[in-house]
Amino acid sequence: QLHLQESGPGLVKPSETLSLNCTVSGGSVNNSPYYWAWIRQPPGKGLEWIGIIHYSGTTYYNPSLRSRVGLSVDTSKNQFSLTLSSVTAADTAVYYCARRIMMVRDNWFDPWGQGTLVIVSS
Amino acid sequence: SSELTQDPAVSVALGQTVRITCQGDSLRSYYASWYQQKPGQAPVVVIYGKNNRPSGIPDRFSGSSSGNSASLTITGAQAEDAADYYCQSRDSSDNHVLFGGGTKLTVL
Repeated sequence: QLHLQESGPGLVKPSETLSLNCTVSGGSVNNSPYYWAWIRQPPGKGLEWIGIIHYSGTTYYNPSLRSRVGLSVDTSKNQFSLTLSSVTAADTAVYYCARRIMMVRDNWFDPWGQGTLVIVSS
Repeated sequence: SSELTQDPAVSVALGQTVRITCQGDSLRSYYASWYQQKPGQAPVVVIYGKNNRPSGIPDRFSGSSSGNSASLTITGAQAEDAADYYCQSRDSSDNHVLFGGGTKLTVL
């Protein structure tokens, strides 16, 4: 059974860069049909997708975050990563990683990691 | 426009049927997926595709779509179904992800 686990600092200072990893177990990040995603949820608010990456390097970013987001895949560690630069308090959120499954008319996220809370504060 | 719209809150009496709706232009081309999120937990997909339930999701959950609208129906709502529900699809013009704003379901 595929399992995803986020890791990284829980506290980041304003203007600095947030970096998170998602370790995949029970499967491989270089399993071709799948994409890997980062999604976040500010406290008390809804879900916001950040970006998606395929192990080949193909990426898609939320236009509202594109200028600050970087995604990468490390097949040797079976993990994928997120960087978000120039963070502000508005970036405080629970960050989730997830696998994206895509079909012709369908796409969904399953499974999700448990999420990690990142607080932006000095 | 590239948005998905959901009612912020819906309530249902225990054992009754409730429909949660999602509207957006992209739904004319792509199915909606539905996620259940309970407090302090990660979202879990309950419906994907035309009307598919992952293993472990009760058959009281079902999905449907028509035109620019998609619905999640819970037939015989249980107390444990109280949660936030999000619809999700993709943008018609590219590979971007769309999430609805979420619907808080209260089971009375």
